[in-house]
Amino acid sequence: AQSVTQPDIHITVSEGASLELRCNYSYGATPYLFWYVQSPGQGLQLLLKYFSGDTLVQGIKGFEAEFKRSQSSFNLRKPSVHWSDAAEYFCAVGDANAGGTSYGKLTFGQGTILTVHP
Amino acid sequence: GAVVSQHPSRVICKSGTSVKIECRSLDFQATTMFWYRQFPKQSLMLMATSNEGSKATYEQGVEKDKFLINHASLTLSTLTVTSAHPEDSSFYICSASRAGHYNEQFFGPGTRLTVL
Repeated sequence: AQSVTQPDIHITVSEGASLELRCNYSYGATPYLFWYVQSPGQGLQLLLKYFSGDTLVQGIKGFEAEFKRSQSSFNLRKPSVHWSDAAEYFCAVGDANAGGTSYGKLTFGQGTILTVHP
Repeated sequence: GAVVSQHPSRVICKSGTSVKIECRSLDFQATTMFWYRQFPKQSLMLMATSNEGSKATYEQGVEKDKFLINHASLTLSTLTVTSAHPEDSSFYICSASRAGHYNEQFFGPGTRLTVL
């Protein structure tokens, strides 16, 4: 079974500082990897995704993530955090070879809450 | 593009009543829709997957008779919480994917259910 671990439950950074949110996955085949952001009481917005190709992917709002197969990681980074980035971030893994009942299912990590100090 | 809406955004009901939550894809045809449940300060837990015109596939531990899912058209899926109890209070989020793009889900804004 696939699983996703986000080791950091809560991270606090100062505005303008760099950010890295960790994500490790466990999956027996080729994964599809995603990062989503959720503001309080809201749904999820897709930041970026990795399906194949270049292991460094660029997303919206200045975020990027790097897929490292050897480390089973897909860490999210941003060089300079803005106050509006404060939210909860979820890493998710999908089945690249989905079929039948696992068609498109996503497994989410526990989430990392980001607090940004002025 | 790829907008998903949910209605209502918030609902409060009495214990024992049933509540229906709608999930609509506004500008695309959603061949597959997913229903998630999120408890406070926790992650999203997949409840069920529904394909248009077929019965929903429920995850282990989710009571199919309690959480009725209908996906009657390519733009609408409904989740009905039957005989709701306070422990059903949660944030319910739906998502939808398009034919041929089943690994990309577009999420609705969620519905906050409070059962008194």
